[in-house]
Amino acid sequence: GAVVSQHPSWVICKSGTSVKIECRSLDFQATTMFWYRQFPKQSLMLMATSNEGSKATYEQGVEKDKFLINHASLTLSTLTVTSAHPEDSSFYICSAIRPSGKGNIQYFGAGTRLSVL
Amino acid sequence: SQQGEEDPQALSIQEGENATMNCSYKTSINNLQWYRQNSGRGLVHLILIRSNEREKHSGRLRVTLDTSKKSSSLLITASRAADTASYFCATDGAYSGAGSYQLTFGKGTKLSVIP
Repeated sequence: GAVVSQHPSWVICKSGTSVKIECRSLDFQATTMFWYRQFPKQSLMLMATSNEGSKATYEQGVEKDKFLINHASLTLSTLTVTSAHPEDSSFYICSAIRPSGKGNIQYFGAGTRLSVL
Repeated sequence: SQQGEEDPQALSIQEGENATMNCSYKTSINNLQWYRQNSGRGLVHLILIRSNEREKHSGRLRVTLDTSKKSSSLLITASRAADTASYFCATDGAYSGAGSYQLTFGKGTKLSVIP
């Protein structure tokens, strides 16, 4: 089946540093990837839609200068949390759409737990 | 914004019993999907049901969709301890600003299967 790899799985950083999270589609090309944020015991909240070769589309309330998204190739999207602060601590999950005749199924990475001290 | 709302929020059953989770949504959809998430992990796609379908099966999973009531149910039969996870419904549809690829997730049902 389709596999989406997300790296790192866990990162701890000091307040003020920037953190980059990678999302790769391993066996298919993904023109569209999504970045979600999930707080403990809550659902996934879509942050942005990452489009290969163009600017990401951010959801309302998500600071695009804070959460930089780059989708430079058909298999890689990156999310950079700039100048991270403790309130940015969360679980970040990416997903990618694999085109098929079965509908728009998103395949998810394993998530990245960000802890900002 | 939340589109799907699951109930119950938490469900605890004995191994071997069936587990039923429900999802309601508010606007028109193209598809409804169910995902599973183990604690601290990513989501695993379970099943997709199209808006013109009423029921779908996959192994021990049975999903129903009632578009007139804007609701869906996920039934897991003969549950196992390994089924312990959170289950989310997700919808895509015409309301999605970025196109129908966008999914909106419900709050999830936390299922605990006791051995």
